[in-house]
Amino acid sequence: GQNIDQPTEMTATEGAIVQINCTYQTSGFNGLFWYQQHAGEAPTFLSYNVLDGLEEKGRFSSFLSRSKGYSYLLLKELQMKDSASYLCAVLDSNYQLIWGAGTKLIIKP
Amino acid sequence: ETGVTQTPRHLVMGMTNKKSLKCEQHLGHNAMYWYKQSAKKPLELMFVYNFKEQTENNSVPSRFSPECPNSSHLFLHLHTLQPEDSALYLCASSQDRGLAYYEQYFGPGTRLTVT
Repeated sequence: GQNIDQPTEMTATEGAIVQINCTYQTSGFNGLFWYQQHAGEAPTFLSYNVLDGLEEKGRFSSFLSRSKGYSYLLLKELQMKDSASYLCAVLDSNYQLIWGAGTKLIIKP
Repeated sequence: ETGVTQTPRHLVMGMTNKKSLKCEQHLGHNAMYWYKQSAKKPLELMFVYNFKEQTENNSVPSRFSPECPNSSHLFLHLHTLQPEDSALYLCASSQDRGLAYYEQYFGPGTRLTVT
């Protein structure tokens, strides 16, 4: 079966760095997405990786290793507004999006 | 209005009621999706419409009935629901589904409680 694993919850301190991991086993691979979802709001797109390596976008970076079935989202200089759930999703060989259950990130002052 | 809107934002209904959820996108997209989001579970894709045609129905019970009258509007008609159907229902849209994939834009969701 297809599976996406990510931690259920993480806690970090304002101003620090946090890494949210995602591992996947899917039927084929056509890219990996990260979405951010604040409580009671819509998920919003953060990043898309299809090739190995690190993609940087301001304070957020996303890394992919296809051979290891692994990705991480790195958040730097954490702000209170970064408290949210972070959803990992993989596009399989049929272009179906397989979603993880999300990681709830709690930022403490 | 911009982006993807959903109404109502909150809905409480009894198991014998009939209600409808509405989604509207103002992005010029041709694909629209219904998802179910339950606490601590992955997003569950329910239905996909591409150019108004239903292209996916992921074994969703018949008590959920989608309708897509045009590329901008999507409805989810609900009847005789069960308490386990209580969840956040998210609508999303993207460029046409086809063989390529485009980033999905989500609405804020309808929080549904079945009593």
